[in-house]
Amino acid sequence: GQQLNQSPQSMFIQEGEDVSMNCTSSSIFNTWLWYKQEPGEGPVLLIALYKAGELTSNGRLTAQFGITRKDSFLNISASIPSDVGIYFCAGRDHSGGGADGLTFGKGTHLIIQP
Amino acid sequence: GAVVSQHPSWVICKSGTSVKIECRSLDFQATTMFWYRQFPKQSLMLMATSNEGSKATYEQGVEKDKFLINHASLTLSTLTVTSAHPEDSSFYICSARDPSGSGIEQFFGPGTRLTVL
Repeated sequence: GQQLNQSPQSMFIQEGEDVSMNCTSSSIFNTWLWYKQEPGEGPVLLIALYKAGELTSNGRLTAQFGITRKDSFLNISASIPSDVGIYFCAGRDHSGGGADGLTFGKGTHLIIQP
Repeated sequence: GAVVSQHPSWVICKSGTSVKIECRSLDFQATTMFWYRQFPKQSLMLMATSNEGSKATYEQGVEKDKFLINHASLTLSTLTVTSAHPEDSSFYICSARDPSGSGIEQFFGPGTRLTVL
């Protein structure tokens, strides 16, 4: 099946620093989504990307859908303590049938040091 | 908008018993819902796609007789873990697609922590 490689696995940063994480795929996706998950909760949608090359912002978050449709990145500017959590990329290929569900990356655990 | 709830939020059961988990879309109707499983410190893995009024579509390797899915209405899907065993202990999360938007984004419930003793 499809696999998403998400990196880095974890990040230890100082408050106020910028953060960058990315996902690559062995196959093409038609939709890229970025979620944040906090302990014991379900993922919360941050940004959705629908077209190759698309660059979308949501506050301090910016994400881009790669031109090749096989990659995406998420940037967080000026990190704050509440940004702590696990960030997941997810892709959907719209091929129908059982493939309508999302394929998730393994997550990036963001830790902010005081 | 686009709120999805799950019940219960956590459950502890004895090995061999069955457990039912409910997933509800609170402010929209969802013809399609999805069930995921997440083991500690791992990613979400799609188990099955739940279709209102028809049979669920299961991912490869997921036993349909063990994980029974029923999508009886446009706002409710249930996952029943039959004859649960300790290896079924996991975090089960459902999601639903809101057709009023692009219809592509999935909104997730808060998850159900299942512990099988």
